[in-house]
Amino acid sequence: GAGVSQSPSNKVTEKGKDVELRCDPISGHTALYWYRQSLGQGLEFLIYFQGNSAPDKSGLPSDRFSAERTGGSVSTLTIQRTQQEDSAVYLCASSPSSGANEQFFGPGTRLTVL
Amino acid sequence: GQSLEQPSEVTAVEGAIVQINCTYQTSGFYGLSWYQQHDGGAPTFLSYNALDGLEETGRFSSFLSRSDSYGYLLLQELQMKDSASYFCAVPDSGGYNKLIFGAGTRLAVHP
Repeated sequence: GAGVSQSPSNKVTEKGKDVELRCDPISGHTALYWYRQSLGQGLEFLIYFQGNSAPDKSGLPSDRFSAERTGGSVSTLTIQRTQQEDSAVYLCASSPSSGANEQFFGPGTRLTVL
Repeated sequence: GQSLEQPSEVTAVEGAIVQINCTYQTSGFYGLSWYQQHDGGAPTFLSYNALDGLEETGRFSSFLSRSDSYGYLLLQELQMKDSASYFCAVPDSGGYNKLIFGAGTRLAVHP
């Protein structure tokens, strides 16, 4: 079956512009996560959605970052007024439930802010 | 807070055995996971240990010692395709809603 998909795969933007990154989780997965990975680094948690519950936004680095999940499926991560330090790979993952041991990751969106 | 430590790089030859260690500090413990990530690829789940001992899955095994806050990933009969980064991860102390990852160990397998 289809895995987690993300779009775009690459995004180059100018400092100060807004960007939207999209994630399509595996069908039926209720939990959805966003992570950020800087070059050669581990993954940094950003935000988590579980069903219709309020999202856990504790990892968002600033109020320029926001995310939503519509209809319990597709999620969009928005970064406003992008800065050069926002350059990273943004990874989305989903799992069947919040208690699942395994998270299934998408291929990521590589964001470059010039 | 929570933190995980693992070596930054490991080098080995084809056919050999390599062990990647991970030590963690958490206020609550809900298990240790391992993920593999090839360059430019998505992290993929390898294993999960909630209890002490060794879990074997084919050429890969994972070990956990909760009393030592320590685990390792053991890769046997190394192949070139095993060259990748390996991350240990623990669920956040508040529950399963996010994973805290180590910085990753880059494994280079040589002929």
